[in-house]
Amino acid sequence: GESVGLHLPTLSVQEGDNSIINCAYSNSASDYFIWYKQESGKGPQFIIDIRSNMDKRQGQRVTVLLNKTVKHLSLQIAATQPGDSAVYFCAENNGANNLFFGTGTRLTVIP
Amino acid sequence: ETGVTQSPTHLIKTRGQQVTLRCSSQSGHNTVSWYQQALGQGPQFIFQYYREEENGRGNFPPRFSGLQFPNYSSELNVNALELDDSALYLCASSLAPRRGETQYFGPGTRLLVL
Repeated sequence: GESVGLHLPTLSVQEGDNSIINCAYSNSASDYFIWYKQESGKGPQFIIDIRSNMDKRQGQRVTVLLNKTVKHLSLQIAATQPGDSAVYFCAENNGANNLFFGTGTRLTVIP
Repeated sequence: ETGVTQSPTHLIKTRGQQVTLRCSSQSGHNTVSWYQQALGQGPQFIFQYYREEENGRGNFPPRFSGLQFPNYSSELNVNALELDDSALYLCASSLAPRRGETQYFGPGTRLLVL
């Protein structure tokens, strides 16, 4: 089965700094990844996705990088704000649109 | 807000009991997936329903079952509850069971088994 994991369980950043959250996967056949944000008491919220035919994708204040050689992806958040404090998950999406999540990284933004 | 609703928000049951959780999908979405999220963990895929049929299942025992109705709402049933079933149960809806279709999650139902 798929295996998705994260390098660090927690990350603290100063407000205004950039945040980088990392994720590793083990299935070399994986070709579609999604980042979700989960705030306390809420369900996961879609942030951005990337397919394996891309190395980089940008959204509003967020960038996802995919390195297929080392099976690693990262989420970069520019100018981190207090509202960015949450748990961030990377997830692999299989052909039937089933999601396989990693453990998650808790991001804390320090004012 | 995603438009996906779940009920109830919280539930307390005792070991051995049965529970039914409900999910209303976002308008226009015919696919509903259920996930179990233990405390401090990522969501784990339970199963997916598409047009009232089970369309994929994760590594969960048969006492986890589901239904999808003609209006695409869905139920998750868990029989013979165990202490380890205590978790946040999430449902997510999408336009279709295809890779690339964004899944929109509801707020979840928090189940505590005593």
